[in-house]
Amino acid sequence: NAGVTQTPKFQVLKTGQSMTLQCAQDMNHNSMYWYRQDPGMGLRLIYYSASEGTTDKGEVPNGYNVSRLNKREFSLRLESAAPSQTSVYFCATLHGPDTQYFGPGTRLTVL
Amino acid sequence: QKEVEQNSGPLSVPEGAIASLNCTYSDRGSQSFFWYRQYSGKSPELIMFIYSNGDKEDGRFTAQLNKASQYVSLLIRDSQPSDSATYLCAVNTGNQFYFGTGTSLTVIP
Repeated sequence: NAGVTQTPKFQVLKTGQSMTLQCAQDMNHNSMYWYRQDPGMGLRLIYYSASEGTTDKGEVPNGYNVSRLNKREFSLRLESAAPSQTSVYFCATLHGPDTQYFGPGTRLTVL
Repeated sequence: QKEVEQNSGPLSVPEGAIASLNCTYSDRGSQSFFWYRQYSGKSPELIMFIYSNGDKEDGRFTAQLNKASQYVSLLIRDSQPSDSATYLCAVNTGNQFYFGTGTSLTVIP
């Protein structure tokens, strides 16, 4: 997971609680992405940021917010967690089509 | 809805054989096509991308694209047990990526 870190690695929340997933990269890549991965559903894009200061919705943005704090950091916030948000969350960076890296993932369980 | 379809498998091949993984996509506006490998419990890693019709080779891997048929494939030559993983196909339209559900490959020693 060259240069992409995610915190926390694991998290258990109760329904209605909030939390922020953190992602940081040290590769100076412009584009950053948040995905969720569910069994049988593949990876689905939640939000992305093509450059510092910009964010856009992906395929499944409902229930999430993001912040591109600076070029290095891209955070994902769940304001009121729901059991349907139980998933593995991956942050990824992109610097040209042949240069993409995923973070190690955050396993989130919402009870 | 932009759909990317993959056969979930599992696909089993003997060591040394060619593994063939297939993917179809619905959006003719898709611009680039990607293959990723994901080991169990790990994050995806990019293997190859292709954007022109035809074949693209990188070591033991060959990606094939046929835009008219909306079909992209990945061939793995001389398959090794270490190739056992789930292979994800993705298409890129603008800044967005759409993934298939993945094909599980097992290479039998």
